[in-house]
Amino acid sequence: EPEVTQTPSHQVTQMGQEVILRCVPISNHLYFYWYRQILGQKVEFLVSFYNNEISEKSEIFDDQFSVERPDGSNFTLKIRSTKLEDSAMYFCASSEGGQNQPQHFGDGTRLSIL
Amino acid sequence: DAKTTQPTSMDCAEGRAANLPCNHSTISGNEYVYWYRQIHSQGPQYIIHGLKNNETNEMASLIITEDRKSSTLILPHATLRDTAVYYCIVGMDSSYKLIFGSGTRLLVRP
Repeated sequence: EPEVTQTPSHQVTQMGQEVILRCVPISNHLYFYWYRQILGQKVEFLVSFYNNEISEKSEIFDDQFSVERPDGSNFTLKIRSTKLEDSAMYFCASSEGGQNQPQHFGDGTRLSIL
Repeated sequence: DAKTTQPTSMDCAEGRAANLPCNHSTISGNEYVYWYRQIHSQGPQYIIHGLKNNETNEMASLIITEDRKSSTLILPHATLRDTAVYYCIVGMDSSYKLIFGSGTRLLVRP
């Protein structure tokens, strides 16, 4: 069964450094998402992406964050200058779009900011 | 905020059915009910979804009341590997994003 894959599984970065989290969505999906989950807290929506542009972003997704689909298969989340509070699990998801189509999630990248 | 209410935690014996309730009294006519689960810190796993009819797949059954204000996820023969946090999610806007609540922590006892 096709699945969403994320790399790396764990990323350790110094505060202030840039980090890029990578995702390969399911191949025929059109909508792409990033969510994050701080340890012990809820899963929070960050951004949705469709037709090569952001369709919605949350308050968390400030100017330090950006997303890109650089080719036909990858979907990336960049954090320009990481802060301690960016430490979290980051999940990528994709769907065909539409209310009747479920999102499928990757297993996440654990980002640790030192 | 999430538009659903779920019990904080439940438990059931291995091999028995696990029935997880969800209240969504403000659901709109065209909003689907989705169920996901999260095992430890893994990514949320899609289980099942429905609009008004009951649904069944290889993982679970979903029973939606006639007024659509509540639903129940049924795991027919729970195993230890079904121990997880289960999320009932209702409603998507134009970007189809999911709003997660706190879910129900299901513990399956040996």
